[in-house]
Amino acid sequence: GQQLNQSPQSMFIQEGEDVSMNCTSSSIFNTWLWYKQDPGEGPVLLIALYKAGELTSNGRLTAQFGITRKDSFLNISASIPSDVGIYFCAGPSFIQGAQKLVFGQGTRLTINP
Amino acid sequence: DVKVTQSSRYLVKRTGEKVFLECVQDMDHENMFWYRQDPGLGLRLIYFSYDVKMKEKGDIPEGYSVSREKKERFSLILESASTNQTSMYLCASSYYYEQYFGPGTRLTVT
Repeated sequence: GQQLNQSPQSMFIQEGEDVSMNCTSSSIFNTWLWYKQDPGEGPVLLIALYKAGELTSNGRLTAQFGITRKDSFLNISASIPSDVGIYFCAGPSFIQGAQKLVFGQGTRLTINP
Repeated sequence: DVKVTQSSRYLVKRTGEKVFLECVQDMDHENMFWYRQDPGLGLRLIYFSYDVKMKEKGDIPEGYSVSREKKERFSLILESASTNQTSMYLCASSYYYEQYFGPGTRLTVT
């Protein structure tokens, strides 16, 4: 079935550093979504991408829809303590039916002050 | 702003009890979903519904049932709770692909 592979699985950085993470798939996606989950909370939608090559920003966050449509990237600039959490990528699950999503396993971000 | 609420943030139940988890969304979304989240296993889809009274099994439906009598409300039912159902339960709703999640219910079955 469709799978999304996120990299890295975890990151330990200093406050103020930039962060890069990515998500890859063996199949083509026409939509990429990025979520953030704070400890003990539900995931929150950060950015949605709908077009290959699209670059979209949300504050210090920037996400890109890869040209091959098989990958997506999320960058966080000048990280701050509240960026701590787990970041998930997601895309539509066509095998099982429209409207459903397949999720990556997440990238856990830890920031040292 | 889309708002998805879940009836409880924390719940402790005994083995064999019938458990109801309620989810309500206020954006008139057609689609609603129940997931469970466990360390190392990510988000796994239990059931989803694309219309009132309609439901479809997700990846791990065993031991669960659902009810959607009204568009805004989607209930997850554990018919006879077991310890392996201790988990974080997340509800989500969507109109298209973008799913919006509730805050989660952390269920402990003892």
